[in-house]
Amino acid sequence: DGGITQSPKYLFRKEGQNVTLSCEQNLNHDAMYWYRQDPGQGLRLIYYSQIVNDFQKGDIAEGYSVSREKKESFPLTVTSAQKNPTAFYLCASSIVGGADEQYFGPGTRLTVT
Amino acid sequence: DAKTTQPPSMDCAEGRAANLPCNHSTISGNEYVYWYRQIHSQGPQYIIHGLKNNETNEMASLIITEDRKSSTLILPHATLRDTAVYYCIVRVAAGNQGGKLIFGQGTELSVKP
Repeated sequence: DGGITQSPKYLFRKEGQNVTLSCEQNLNHDAMYWYRQDPGQGLRLIYYSQIVNDFQKGDIAEGYSVSREKKESFPLTVTSAQKNPTAFYLCASSIVGGADEQYFGPGTRLTVT
Repeated sequence: DAKTTQPPSMDCAEGRAANLPCNHSTISGNEYVYWYRQIHSQGPQYIIHGLKNNETNEMASLIITEDRKSSTLILPHATLRDTAVYYCIVRVAAGNQGGKLIFGQGTELSVKP
């Protein structure tokens, strides 16, 4: 089956620890995105990448880092510098160019205490 | 990207048509109208998009007014599984903006038996 996978579904960390969230897609999409969602809110863009080895900051990139070494993978690291890391994190992918829709993964719910 | 305005919540009886409105009075000529929905604690799901013509697919119909300042998403025969938050988004095609989706608060649709 083609799609986007995110793991794990739930993640718990202690404050001050870095944590990396996984996102993998087998849709052969060039573009990948990370969003954050807080309770009762819409999604906000953290980082996006349109091609391997290149990525751009979104609206709320502070305290996060990404890498794009492979087309299929776009891991997100939540660093200790992120002041409010507890949130629902969503990864998406799309083709590049034209009116392309984005396909979302199931999300990872991160809780930092 | 243009801003959208949606009612915060709507109810619909099961089996009836659900008509979800969206205002986007500042939409530009090259911006598309997209609809996504998000069932609780899942990733958003793409529904439909259009530029200026009405569109229909297996999930829904999208009616865009002639001046493009508003649109309506129609679920022709709503079921309980259509209960979700529906997001109306306007944006340019991906290009060098990276395909950023700007999510507002959306409309929480409750389909009742």
